[in-house]
Amino acid sequence: GENVEQHPSTLSVQEGDSAVIKCTYSDSASNYFPWYKQELGKGPQLIIDIRSNVGEKKDQRIAVTLNKTAKHFSLHITETQPEDSAVYFCAASNNAGANNLFFGTGTRLTVIP
Amino acid sequence: ETGVTQTPRHLVMGMTNKKSLKCEQHLGHNAMYWYKQSAKKPLELMFVYNFKEQTENNSVPSRFSPECPNSSHLFLHLHTLQPEDSALYLCASSLSTDTQYFGPGTRLTVL
Repeated sequence: GENVEQHPSTLSVQEGDSAVIKCTYSDSASNYFPWYKQELGKGPQLIIDIRSNVGEKKDQRIAVTLNKTAKHFSLHITETQPEDSAVYFCAASNNAGANNLFFGTGTRLTVIP
Repeated sequence: ETGVTQTPRHLVMGMTNKKSLKCEQHLGHNAMYWYKQSAKKPLELMFVYNFKEQTENNSVPSRFSPECPNSSHLFLHLHTLQPEDSALYLCASSLSTDTQYFGPGTRLTVL
């Protein structure tokens, strides 16, 4: 089955700096890669996703890049703000059958004002 | 609000109790999921229902029993749980194999 690894497990940045979170996956059949943000007391919320037919996708301060050859994808947050502080999860899926999402272990991002 | 609600938000139960978790989605989705979230571990998929039919059961112990009476409601019945079952239980829904939307979760503590 799929194995998703995520690094780092914790990340602290100064407000206004950029944050980068990296994930690798093992199953070359995976073709859908969402990123979720989980704030305290809430469930994970989708913030951006990318499919294997593109290499990069951007939405305002958030961008995701995908390298299918190396089987890794990354989340980039620019001009970080205190409200970006949360736990971020990457996931991978081959969008087949039951749409099983395989999650990374999460990155706790702290943005220091 | 994601359109997925879960009740209760917190639950404390003894090992001999029987309780149920409820999930409801207002998004018109056809697939619903139960996940277990434990500290420092990836989210673990437990069950998947597609059009009310169970399509996945990831080797979950029988002390967890899911029920899906219709595409909008999902239950997780709990009985004779163990302390290691304490975790955040998350429900999600999706339209077929599209994006999954999560509820806020039920924080379960087994004494």
